Amino acid sequence: EFVLTQSPATLSLSPGERATLSCWASQSVSSNLAWYQQKPGQAPRLLIYDASNRATGIPARFSGSGSGTDFTLIISSLEPEDFAVYYCQQRGNWPRGITFGQGTRLEIK
Amino acid sequence: EVQLMESGGGLVKPGGSLRLSCATSGFTFSNAWMSWVRQAPGKGLEWVGRIKSKTDGGTTDYAAPLKGRFTISRDDSKNTLYLQMNNLKTDDTAVYYCATVLRFLEWLPDWGQGTLVTVSS
Repeated sequence: EFVLTQSPATLSLSPGERATLSCWASQSVSSNLAWYQQKPGQAPRLLIYDASNRATGIPARFSGSGSGTDFTLIISSLEPEDFAVYYCQQRGNWPRGITFGQGTRLEIK
Repeated sequence: EVQLMESGGGLVKPGGSLRLSCATSGFTFSNAWMSWVRQAPGKGLEWVGRIKSKTDGGTTDYAAPLKGRFTISRDDSKNTLYLQMNNLKTDDTAVYYCATVLRFLEWLPDWGQGTLVTVSS
């Protein structure tokens, strides 16, 4: 079974600090990984696709890296609006389909 | 501006059926691949399935645990996506989102606000 594992489950930081979120794939997905942000009561928003490309309108403080099985989302300097839940997603090979990680909650310290 | 609006959610008894709709505007729906994603209360995101555009075959793919109970369809004349859910179980209780899918790339750039489905006796 293919699994995406995100770490940590919860990250407590202050505005202005740097956030590092991780996503591990149980088997290689090359660069086929995306990151989403979800705020309470809202739909997810695509942040990063193909592991490192920012989606339209996403601020430069968000960056993604990695390939194979290890991926990282970095928020260089946290703004108040960045506190949310973050999910990684792989597109993989069919018929496996799309898989999401279990999420990392980024909360204000 | 891309707009997606889900409807059709509500309370249904276990074993019942429900059809969700996703009305779209702001893009050429007939060329679009579309997905459904759900989120149980307080839980993470779970992909439900995807339908390709008719020009790309119009085929559907589903998450393995849901195959056979859920059916995705589209009406390009109405710019609307559907999710037919049969034999519903309490575990199907969730907010159901429709989303656009980047063709062949499978990223989900645009999402609706979701509709809540509650399966309870």
